[in-house]
Amino acid sequence: NAGVTQTPKFQVLKTGQSMTLQCAQDMNHNSMYWYRQDPGMGLRLIYYSASEGTTDKGEVPNGYNVSRLNKREFSLRLESAAPSQTSVYFCASSDGAVYNSPLHFGNGTRLTVT
Amino acid sequence: DAKTTQPPSMDCAEGRAANLPCNHSTISGNEYVYWYRQIHSQGPQYIIHGLKNNETNEMASLIITEDRKSSTLILPHATLRDTAVYYCIVRDASIQGAQKLVFGQGTRLTINP
Repeated sequence: NAGVTQTPKFQVLKTGQSMTLQCAQDMNHNSMYWYRQDPGMGLRLIYYSASEGTTDKGEVPNGYNVSRLNKREFSLRLESAAPSQTSVYFCASSDGAVYNSPLHFGNGTRLTVT
Repeated sequence: DAKTTQPPSMDCAEGRAANLPCNHSTISGNEYVYWYRQIHSQGPQYIIHGLKNNETNEMASLIITEDRKSSTLILPHATLRDTAVYYCIVRDASIQGAQKLVFGQGTRLTINP
């Protein structure tokens, strides 16, 4: 089991460019999440998907879109990258059918926008 | 979800027990206490959770006070690999579905040789 896999691991973008961060999990989890983490700060929830076919905004959704492609995959898109979106992005999943199911995180995508 | 307060940093000697406190004075009856940790550059890792009884697993023990307004995570024999940021999170887990965890600043635990 690979758990939660994120690609790419590193990315540098110029302001205004677009890109999609990919996330896939192999644990048959219903729920998936995107967080961002800025230096010296805790993680902040961008978007989440409680189950296949649904997505909802988290704490900091502006500037992002998401797609729950199927049960395994949840992608995060930056349509027009801004320097303020320089951050480390973490994808996570959990079994939404189980109470207190813990979140399993990937190892992150480190994005720099110049 | 209730807010939590943790010390920003702590040190512990290798081989000793590391006791990480967390205050959650506004916790409500349905809210659980979760602990995660984040080792440098990696994604957060789940450690343990509890409601009101003390809990223990292979990684740690969780002690929750009787009034549930505070808790302590105990790493019984800390090793250098336990150096990480530890997050205490309180969340209403009585509802199935997505768990929108709110991460604070956490406690940066340094294990010294």
